[in-house]
Amino acid sequence: GAGVSQSPRYKVAKRGQDVALRCDPISGHVSLFWYQQALGQGPEFLTYFQNEAQLDKSGLPSDRFFAERPEGSVSTLKIQRTQQEDSAVYLCASSLGRGRSVGDEQYFGPGTRLTVT
Amino acid sequence: AQKVTQAQTEISVVEKEDVTLDCVYETRDTTYYLFWYKQPPSGELVFLIRRNSFDEQNEISGRYSWNFQKSTSSFNFTITASQVVDSAVYFCALSERGGGSEKLVFGKGTKLTVNP
Repeated sequence: GAGVSQSPRYKVAKRGQDVALRCDPISGHVSLFWYQQALGQGPEFLTYFQNEAQLDKSGLPSDRFFAERPEGSVSTLKIQRTQQEDSAVYLCASSLGRGRSVGDEQYFGPGTRLTVT
Repeated sequence: AQKVTQAQTEISVVEKEDVTLDCVYETRDTTYYLFWYKQPPSGELVFLIRRNSFDEQNEISGRYSWNFQKSTSSFNFTITASQVVDSAVYFCALSERGGGSEKLVFGKGTKLTVNP
């Protein structure tokens, strides 16, 4: 009965380093989402997977951001050559993914707080 | 384009007061879904409610109630007899059926502080 889990919970990176953030969705959830939440703001969409297919990556802010979900379960968000403006909480969410006609609710993980120094 | 506006940045009340959090949305789609999430100080977003655009019935769950009015594009959230544990940031969110994905568009949130 585990929820969405994310690791690490906290990450400090020096500017220019690459980071990888992991998300374990709820078992059986087809859809997986990544969001970025800056301090004092609402979450902003980054990318969306249905199983292993990345169906929407319109929110990725630059080509330094890359996400994958190779086997349709665990997902990794990678940020290359981190910049200070990448500092934020990165949230992962999953849903049953029964399609847009249903509008399933998304369940969120605790997030990874990334600080770039 | 989708947009969600939560005009109240912060609200402070005393325990047992009723409080309403406002949410106004914009969408060109005729089929969409509205959500409320709670983000307590621990940081994890907690799902509260989902509403589809076909159903304008108000909903009540314990001390929580939601008022959905398509005519004013609003989906307001009321907490009755607030408690200290209600202190959190509350987000309203929108998902369009016709969009390219099931992504959520969030408002900026309303920080609610309930004082004892």
